[in-house]
Amino acid sequence: EPEVTQTPSHQVTQMGQEVILRCVPISNHLYFYWYRQILGQKVEFLVSFYNNEISEKSEIFDDQFSVERPDGSNFTLKIRSTKLEDSAMYFCASKAGGSWGEQFFGPGTRLTVL
Amino acid sequence: SQQGEEDPQALSIQEGENATMNCSYKTSINNLQWYRQNSGRGLVHLILIRSNEREKHSGRLRVTLDTSKKSSSLLITASRAADTASYFCALYGGATNKLIFGTGTLLAVQP
Repeated sequence: EPEVTQTPSHQVTQMGQEVILRCVPISNHLYFYWYRQILGQKVEFLVSFYNNEISEKSEIFDDQFSVERPDGSNFTLKIRSTKLEDSAMYFCASKAGGSWGEQFFGPGTRLTVL
Repeated sequence: SQQGEEDPQALSIQEGENATMNCSYKTSINNLQWYRQNSGRGLVHLILIRSNEREKHSGRLRVTLDTSKKSSSLLITASRAADTASYFCALYGGATNKLIFGTGTLLAVQP
C-alpha cells in the first residue's frame, strides 16, 4: 500500500541553524501539507501546497519557514533559523485530488532544537 | 474557533469493554475524521464521516455525527490492549484544505 515517507526520523540541531525536513508524498496525490505537534499538544496545521504554490498557511508559518517541491516527488520544509520553540514533531501529509479530505500522514520527523 | 474539543481527555478501561470518545466543534464542516496516534508515532487515519452522514462503521469502530449539535462520537467495541493510543478528531471545512485537529483523548486499555 502506498505511504508517505519522511526523513530523517529525528533531527537534532543548534538554535539558529537551518534545517530541511524531507517528505515523499504518495505518488498520484496533488495536495501536500505540513503539520506540527509540540510534545503533549494537539496537531497544528502549518501550510498546504497545491499546483506548485502555497494555497494556505497558518500564523505559525512565518518568514522563517518555506516549502518546496523541487523535483516532482519530494516535498520539503525548510526552517531558516531554528528557535527552541520549533522543537516538535513535524508531519507531512498528502491528499489525492478531488477527495473529500482524507489526508495520509507520514511517520513524522522529530526536531529537537538545542 | 473551528477547533474540535474532545472529551474525555483521558480514558482508562479494561480489555473487552467499549470505549466512547466525543468531539464537539463550533463551525460548519464538510466532513469529520478520526485519527489514532500511538505514543510518539505518526497519525493513522481511522474513519471519515461526511456532513450528510449520521453513522458509519468500520470493523470495531462506530462513528456518529450530529451536525445540529455539532458533535461526533467514536465508539471502539470490544477493546484490546493494542487500542491504547491517543485518538483525535479532525475537522475538514472544505473551503480550506486543512484539517483542524481536536485536543485528543488518551485511551488506555488495561489487559
